[in-house]
Amino acid sequence: DAKTTQPTSMDCAEGRAANLPCNHSTISGNEYVYWYRQIHSQGPQYIIHGLKNNETNEMASLIITEDRKSSTLILPHATLRDTAVYYCISRAGTASKLTFGTGTRLQVTL
Amino acid sequence: GAVVSQHPSWVICKSGTSVKIECRSLDFQATTMFWYRQFPKQSLMLMATSNEGSKATYEQGVEKDKFLINHASLTLSTLTVTSAHPEDSSFYICSAPGGSYEQYFGPGTRLTVT
Repeated sequence: DAKTTQPTSMDCAEGRAANLPCNHSTISGNEYVYWYRQIHSQGPQYIIHGLKNNETNEMASLIITEDRKSSTLILPHATLRDTAVYYCISRAGTASKLTFGTGTRLQVTL
Repeated sequence: GAVVSQHPSWVICKSGTSVKIECRSLDFQATTMFWYRQFPKQSLMLMATSNEGSKATYEQGVEKDKFLINHASLTLSTLTVTSAHPEDSSFYICSAPGGSYEQYFGPGTRLTVT
């Protein structure tokens, strides 16, 4: 699985969009980009995933660059409950293990 | 969505004793489950892959004789920390693949060894 790089931490005001970047410059053609988040002392929670097209669901949007070397997770209206560590993971296959990097600690403030 | 449970949610044990942690898939079957360990302020680290009906696959550096894994059925995997020591104190999390793309994680078990 390709290595991903994320900023260590980010702040976002409540109600504003949170844009979390991820670099995966060595991603291969069959690897998907997955995003998970972990709220303090809980298990990780799936957010969204994509291969090359932009994706949107009820939680977030995922923007993948055309060359697939980077992506951005967008939380359109961040709330205090979105405070968590967000992990960007690239992975081939669906049932294979997930390799977690250090993630981005997002702090949503009033 | 699918649910994975863990039991217990937290446990305190004395050094030298063994502790068993259960991971259950509540509404789906899982031939494979994954066990992770997370130390404070660190990321999740994969310990082993639990396979129903066969031996677990351990990641490099994880002692298989210390962390015993048994995948007894399609809905249950157990992790036993044998002869626990304070350095084994950690947050243990299991996950199981479900559906076509998602992995479902348990809520985690916090182990404190005194």
